[in-house]
Amino acid sequence: DTAVSQTPKYLVTQMGNDKSIKCEQNLGHDTMYWYKQDSKKFLKIMFSYNNKELIINETVPNRFSPKSPDKAHLNLHINSLELGDSAVYFCASSLMGGGETQYFGPGTRLLVL
Amino acid sequence: QKEVEQNSGPLSVPEGAIASLNCTYSDRVSQSFFWYRQYSGKSPELIMSIYSNGDKEDGRFTAQLNKASQYVSLLIRDSQPSDSATYLCAVERGAQKLVFGQGTRLTINP
Repeated sequence: DTAVSQTPKYLVTQMGNDKSIKCEQNLGHDTMYWYKQDSKKFLKIMFSYNNKELIINETVPNRFSPKSPDKAHLNLHINSLELGDSAVYFCASSLMGGGETQYFGPGTRLLVL
Repeated sequence: QKEVEQNSGPLSVPEGAIASLNCTYSDRVSQSFFWYRQYSGKSPELIMSIYSNGDKEDGRFTAQLNKASQYVSLLIRDSQPSDSATYLCAVERGAQKLVFGQGTRLTINP
């Protein structure tokens, strides 16, 4: 059984388009995260939600909007895509937060042309 | 100064030897430290977590933490080709936030 799943795995799109990435976890965790990993493999947190409540909102353009319909799901919508948005986006979850182990999804590879 | 710093490598180690990976961090109040392994094209997976000063061993892996020096390391004994990956150091910084280093690319040569 997949613990943290993301769809789609690959996303190729044109500049200016709007796209969404979905994440689901079946671990019963309360906290979910979105990370961006750039071409240099640097992994940086974007958002975190605890039981549907936004906890962390890093310095991310407001074209990025997360939504958590319930504590098992965290989606990421991106408006007006730009070339610099090309990256791998990872969803993760943890039991609570802070010093808890985070479990990562397989990643969504986004390429903006 | 970056919050979490690692030598990006590549670090090349012969099979069977000890691989030593190092990480320094800037926030003195951090209490939780993690090592993640990431194979090319895959997602990060947890190798070790450490919360107290000293050593913590799990199989061939040993994590070492020195809070006074703000230093955490990972030793891999009897290195295998399957250990070839990028190793990410992560430091807890405030509630629910992990800050990652840039990763060290490790290659084990048969």
